[in-house]
Amino acid sequence: EAGVTQFPSHSVIEKGQTVTLRCDPISGHDNLYWYRRVMGKEIKFLLHFVKESKQDESGMPNNRFLAERTGGTYSTLKVQPAELEDSGVYFCASSLRQGPNEQFFGPGTRLTVL
Amino acid sequence: SQKIEQNSEALNIQEGKTATLTCNYTNYSPAYLQWYRQDPGRGPVFLLLIRENEKEKRKERLKVTFDTTLKQSLFHITASQPADSATYLCALLYSGNTPLVFGKGTRLSVIA
Repeated sequence: EAGVTQFPSHSVIEKGQTVTLRCDPISGHDNLYWYRRVMGKEIKFLLHFVKESKQDESGMPNNRFLAERTGGTYSTLKVQPAELEDSGVYFCASSLRQGPNEQFFGPGTRLTVL
Repeated sequence: SQKIEQNSEALNIQEGKTATLTCNYTNYSPAYLQWYRQDPGRGPVFLLLIRENEKEKRKERLKVTFDTTLKQSLFHITASQPADSATYLCALLYSGNTPLVFGKGTRLSVIA
């Protein structure tokens, strides 16, 4: 069974540009999560989808971040316009059920904003 | 606000010994606590879940304890091997539907 995949693995962009990250969860997993790790800090929750609906977006830092999950399959996270402080590793995870269940993480996308 | 501390950034241990990693939290206790392993360039991998009413959980060479009085979880790897070298993260869940809150992790190196 394929795991969670993320694309691209690395992205280097200039401040002010737009970047779109993609996550493909494990097939059949209704729950999809986005997290971010900024250099030197802990992994922080951004948001949680159940199918195509946003269940919890309390961790989204500001309105420059837009997450979508049309059709309830893959998800995209767009940053527009990117700022220097957006640099970090963005992880996606998926799970079969909500709650304290195992989350399966992708390898992450390393975003560098210059 | 809630703070999670994992004992140290890095821990070196001799092969065959037991590694003990600590996760301390402040304020209110979580309903669940998870431990993950992360290797360089990869995402975290789930290892164990322990509930607030459980004192201890085991899985092969791994053992996790949860002490709500001390506000602490201990993660033990017995008979450690160089392949156990990785960063170990603790993550708290305050209820079944709240987001995971991660600690910064402890980088464990098992020396042959």
